[in-house]
Amino acid sequence: NAGVMQNPRHLVRRRGQEARLRCSPMKGHSHVYWYRQLPEEGLKFMVYLQKENIIDESGMPKERFSAEFPKEGPSILRIQQVVRGDSAAYFCASSPYSGWQETQYFGPGTRLLVL
Amino acid sequence: KQEVTQIPAALSVPEGENLVLNCSFTDSAIYNLQWFRQDPGKGLTSLLLIQSSQREQTSGRLNASLDKSSGRSTLYIAASQPGDSATYLCAVPPLIQGAQKLVFGQGTRLTINP
Repeated sequence: NAGVMQNPRHLVRRRGQEARLRCSPMKGHSHVYWYRQLPEEGLKFMVYLQKENIIDESGMPKERFSAEFPKEGPSILRIQQVVRGDSAAYFCASSPYSGWQETQYFGPGTRLLVL
Repeated sequence: KQEVTQIPAALSVPEGENLVLNCSFTDSAIYNLQWFRQDPGKGLTSLLLIQSSQREQTSGRLNASLDKSSGRSTLYIAASQPGDSATYLCAVPPLIQGAQKLVFGQGTRLTINP
């Protein structure tokens, strides 16, 4: 059973471009979470999705950021018109069910660098 | 608002020593507490999960304790090895804010010197 997969592992964008980060959860997992780790800071929750639904996006910046988890295919975190402050490691996690008793399994992350 | 603090931020010890990493949280209303390991440039690996009704969990050379009333958890590593060098993170899913969001501490960067 492959773990959580994220691609690309590294992404370089110039200011104003769009960044699309992909996350394929573990097989059988229908819950996906995105976290961001800014340089020298801890991981911060961004958004929680189930198939075709955004459940909690309280950690998402109000502008330029969006996330989806379609019925088929990976979850996508999209950042429009990137700025240097978006440079960070973005981690995706998945779990088979929701709820406090389930651990979240993390992917290797996508390191985004905005020039 | 739940806040998680880890002390120290960095720790360097010689191989073979036993050591303790600390985690404190401001709101004792938690479902559980997890300890993760993060290697440079890689994702997080779950080490131990302690339910709110438990006081400790053990896995090999690792032992994690939880004291909800005082808002503290410790991760004890016995007979440390160079391969234990990594950043250790603790995280809680707060009861009030929702089970799905993990609130992380900033981590303790551990170096084990051969």
